[in-house]
Amino acid sequence: SQTIHQWPATLVQPVGSPLSLECTVEGTSNPNLYWYRQAAGRGLQLLFYSVGIGQISSEVPQNLSASRPQDRQFILSSKKLLLSDSGFYLCAWSKDRGTNYGYTFGSGTRLTVV
Amino acid sequence: AQSVTQPDIHITVSEGASLELRCNYSYGATPYLFWYVQSPGQGLQLLLKYFSGDTLVQGIKGFEAEFKRSQSSFNLRKPSVHWSDAAEYFCAVGWTGGFKTIFGAGTRLFVKA
Repeated sequence: SQTIHQWPATLVQPVGSPLSLECTVEGTSNPNLYWYRQAAGRGLQLLFYSVGIGQISSEVPQNLSASRPQDRQFILSSKKLLLSDSGFYLCAWSKDRGTNYGYTFGSGTRLTVV
Repeated sequence: AQSVTQPDIHITVSEGASLELRCNYSYGATPYLFWYVQSPGQGLQLLLKYFSGDTLVQGIKGFEAEFKRSQSSFNLRKPSVHWSDAAEYFCAVGWTGGFKTIFGAGTRLFVKA
């Protein structure tokens, strides 16, 4: 069966520090991968998606970047965190065209920038 | 542009009562529609999905949803709510050939004893 792992679960970082969140998927190949951010009391904002190794599409200009160095690995990064980067970050994967099957989400990373 | 509206920010129901969560979408063709549930501090879990065919779809945990094209709606229902159903519920829409799914702002469900 397919599983998705996301870590760390919780992170507190000072303003100006770097960030690296990792997401890996097991049990499938060539998944579509997504990073979403959920601000407190708000819906989900799509940040990045990837349909293959090295292929990244950015949805919102921001202080963040994403990379996909391997087929089932998706990394969210920042060189210098801002207070506004605080939120709940969710990684998700889908088969082929994601809209056909729905997403499977990781358990999320709660990021607090102080 | 595609969009999803969940008119109710939060809803409170008594345990054992019926539930209906509203969702309206904006899309020119037949969309793919989804409902997800999120428990506090957790990721989202897919409850059910509609692609085509029967407009009444069954999901996990006793939930169902009905697609009404004339009303551009995809409301989620459950005949008898349990305390464990307290969570946030998200409606989402996708479309043919698209890589992305658009999520509504969510409806938080509170269940009172």
